[in-house]
Amino acid sequence: NAGVTQTPKFRVLKTGQSMTLLCAQDMNHEYMYWYRQDPGMGLRLIHYSVGEGTTAKGEVPDGYNVSRLKKQNFLLGLESAAPSQTSVYFCASSYLGQKNTEAFFGQGTRLTVV
Amino acid sequence: GDSVTQMEGPVTLSEEAFLTINCTYTATGYPSLFWYVQYPGEGLQLLLKATKADDKGSNKGFEATYRKETTSFHLEKGSVQVSDSAVYFCALSIIQGAQKLVFGQGTRLTINP
Repeated sequence: NAGVTQTPKFRVLKTGQSMTLLCAQDMNHEYMYWYRQDPGMGLRLIHYSVGEGTTAKGEVPDGYNVSRLKKQNFLLGLESAAPSQTSVYFCASSYLGQKNTEAFFGQGTRLTVV
Repeated sequence: GDSVTQMEGPVTLSEEAFLTINCTYTATGYPSLFWYVQYPGEGLQLLLKATKADDKGSNKGFEATYRKETTSFHLEKGSVQVSDSAVYFCALSIIQGAQKLVFGQGTRLTINP
């Protein structure tokens, strides 16, 4: 059972470079999320999607873009990477997005911007 | 705004010790409450949850009770094992357009044999 799969798992970027993180889920979930995890700050929501073709901003959206062209995939883009974007990125999905619904997480992508 | 505060770590215990990790929250409305666990090199996975006041969530020997009067959801385990070493996140869940999960900062737990 794959669940939520993130690629790549590790990446080092130079300042100003661009990249795309891919998240794929095979559970037919409607809702998908991108979080970043920084030491001492827990997880913070970057962007989310409530269904195919829809996206919305979360708590810390600046410097990131997202797309949800297919229900199973949620892409996170960095157009011009900055050292402040060094973090661990987690994708998550949930079935109905109701407040008592469990979110399923990928294994994370560790990104370093130098 | 909505927020979650966890006891600061790291926490180091000996095997078979009693564990408490404190969690308090601030929220408008009536959130659901979760504990997630992150083992080394892995993503977060649900440990337990409670959806209304006085509910008790339990799993793998861990328990937490939703206390509305004290806005708390403390995690407890009577006898910890080395395999419980992980980072634990308390989170609240509300609806703001979509499900919104608000996480605490995480507590790193290390259990020594």
